[in-house]
Amino acid sequence: ETGVTQSPTHLIKTRGQQVTLRCSSQSGHNTVSWYQQALGQGPQFIFQYYREEENGRGNFPPRFSGLQFPNYSSELNVNALELDDSALYLCASSPLPGNYGYTFGSGTRLTVV
Amino acid sequence: AQRVTQPEKLLSVFKGAPVELKCNYSYSGSPELFWYVQYSRQRLQLLLRHISRESIKGFTADLNKGETSFHLKKPFAQEEDSAMYYCALSGRNAGNMLTFGGGTRLMVKP
Repeated sequence: ETGVTQSPTHLIKTRGQQVTLRCSSQSGHNTVSWYQQALGQGPQFIFQYYREEENGRGNFPPRFSGLQFPNYSSELNVNALELDDSALYLCASSPLPGNYGYTFGSGTRLTVV
Repeated sequence: AQRVTQPEKLLSVFKGAPVELKCNYSYSGSPELFWYVQYSRQRLQLLLRHISRESIKGFTADLNKGETSFHLKKPFAQEEDSAMYYCALSGRNAGNMLTFGGGTRLMVKP
């Protein structure tokens, strides 16, 4: 399967809960990055994984964590959800870290109430 | 720290008019610059990157290190160019992560 797919497309959670978002990267892409896009803003980098290890992190607290699996899938976990976590979460994959351009998924819209 | 600034939230032009979407950046070192585009109801997709020096859909962008700019240009806008455009920066000093600007919405009127 080509392209990047994310699930679920929409999600509503209550403040304080935990959430897991999933991403299936493009085949052959060993690098996956996660971004948070608040309404009216550009995407903000959360972290990046390369060959199942975190190799870069943006300015997000430790309650944002991730995993990457050998089958090109990955997860973003957010604990102790806050209202400000409401955003579109984007997954992007690339064959290698760096300057090759990234293929983005359609995103998961998370609403925290 | 790296930063990307797109000063215009909205740019409205008539079909056939020239378009210039502005992007300025700050970065210590040699950056890699990209333009991403998001058409209505579609995902974010790479439009072009400066290292390729290519023209995609009639768009070009030149990296000006002196002015730290990477403006996106097209001589004659088409209605199908209406979309959200994001400038982004990457580089070894930035841990290879993409830093995005806030985006510019381009509206091409008939």
